Amino acid sequence: KQEVTQIPAALSVPEGENLVLNCSFTDSAIYNLQWFRQDPGKGLTSLLLIQSSQREQTSGRLNASLDKSSGRSTLYIAASQPGDSATYLCAVTFSGGYNKLIFGAGTRLAVHP
Amino acid sequence: SQTIHQWPATLVQPVGSPLSLECTVEGTSNPNLYWYRQAAGRGLQLLFYSVGIGQISSEVPQNLSASRPQDRQFILSSKKLLLSDSGFYLCAWSVPGSNYGYTFGSGTRLTVV
Repeated sequence: KQEVTQIPAALSVPEGENLVLNCSFTDSAIYNLQWFRQDPGKGLTSLLLIQSSQREQTSGRLNASLDKSSGRSTLYIAASQPGDSATYLCAVTFSGGYNKLIFGAGTRLAVHP
Repeated sequence: SQTIHQWPATLVQPVGSPLSLECTVEGTSNPNLYWYRQAAGRGLQLLFYSVGIGQISSEVPQNLSASRPQDRQFILSSKKLLLSDSGFYLCAWSVPGSNYGYTFGSGTRLTVV
């Protein structure tokens, strides 16, 4: 069964810390992996998309890595700010069929001043 | 540019009433379309996907149905709502065969009372 797991489920850090969110998936045959941000009561904002042939993607203070062989991805947030507080979702498009996107349960991040 | 519209943003409906949520996409043709649900405290679950007009696939048995009457229109419906249908409903689209990932709408918060 194709599954995506995220740890930790919740994280609370002081402003300015560098932090790492983890994502693991059960099948290495993936098409791509996306990291999303969700603010309370809002839709999903795509942060980074990593193709299966790539090792990492960067956008501003965000860096996402992908290791297909071990079934892992990490989202690194540098110099965290209170505005980074949100739920971060990892989603994997597994190969085959119509490219179904499967989500992890998310990491709820709180950055306090 | 491609945009996705979802409405209404919030909805409160009595048990047993019908439901119709609409999603439209602009700026692309022949997209794959998806309906996801996010129940309180739970992850995102794929409900339906569509690869073309009139082509609907259901991922989980439920009280809901979906239709795609036009290429860029996706509708989620129910004849009689249940309390368990409450949740946050998100529409998404992707380009078939591409690596652009998924784009999500802003969601509809449905409360069945």
